Amino acid sequence: GENVEQHPSTLSVQEGDSAVIKCTYSDSASNYFPWYKQELGKRPQLIIDIRSNVGEKKDQRIAVTLNKTAKHFSLHITETQPEDSAVYFCAASINNNDMRFGAGTRLTVKP
Amino acid sequence: DVKVTQSSRYLVKRTGEKVFLECVQDMDHENMFWYRQDPGLGLRLIYFSYDVKMKEKGDIPEGYSVSREKKERFSLILESASTNQTSMYLCASSLRGISAGNTIYFGEGSWLTVV
Repeated sequence: GENVEQHPSTLSVQEGDSAVIKCTYSDSASNYFPWYKQELGKRPQLIIDIRSNVGEKKDQRIAVTLNKTAKHFSLHITETQPEDSAVYFCAASINNNDMRFGAGTRLTVKP
Repeated sequence: DVKVTQSSRYLVKRTGEKVFLECVQDMDHENMFWYRQDPGLGLRLIYFSYDVKMKEKGDIPEGYSVSREKKERFSLILESASTNQTSMYLCASSLRGISAGNTIYFGEGSWLTVV
């Protein structure tokens, strides 16, 4: 089955700096890669996603890149703000009914 | 606005008890999921269902069962709770077609403590 690995497990940055979180996946059939943000005590919520026919996608301060050959994808957050502090999960889907998640990255943005 | 509702937010159960976690979604989604969330382990899939009365094992189904008698409701059952099942349980749902970009929506989570 699909195996998703996520790094780093914790990340601390100064406000205004950039943050990068990386994920790798094992199944070359995976074709959809969402990222979820989970604030403390709240449910995970989708923040951005990318499909396998696209190499990069951007939405304001967040962007996701995908390298299908290397089977890895990354989340980039620029100009970080304290409200970006949360746990971020990457995920990979290989079919219409299944989604597997990484272990999560706890991002702390220090003011 | 999609709503996934988990009926119990916080439960404390004794070892050996039978535990039911209920989840209801109001958007006519075909897919429903149960994940377990533990620090450092992320979200691990226990079971999912892509239709009424259909279920598929995820990565960690041992010690759990599920029931989907109606499209909107997906129940997670711990037949005989054990302390290593103390965790946060997240229900989720989506339209069929995740790989086409249909979002998974999560409930608020159920914190289960087994003593």
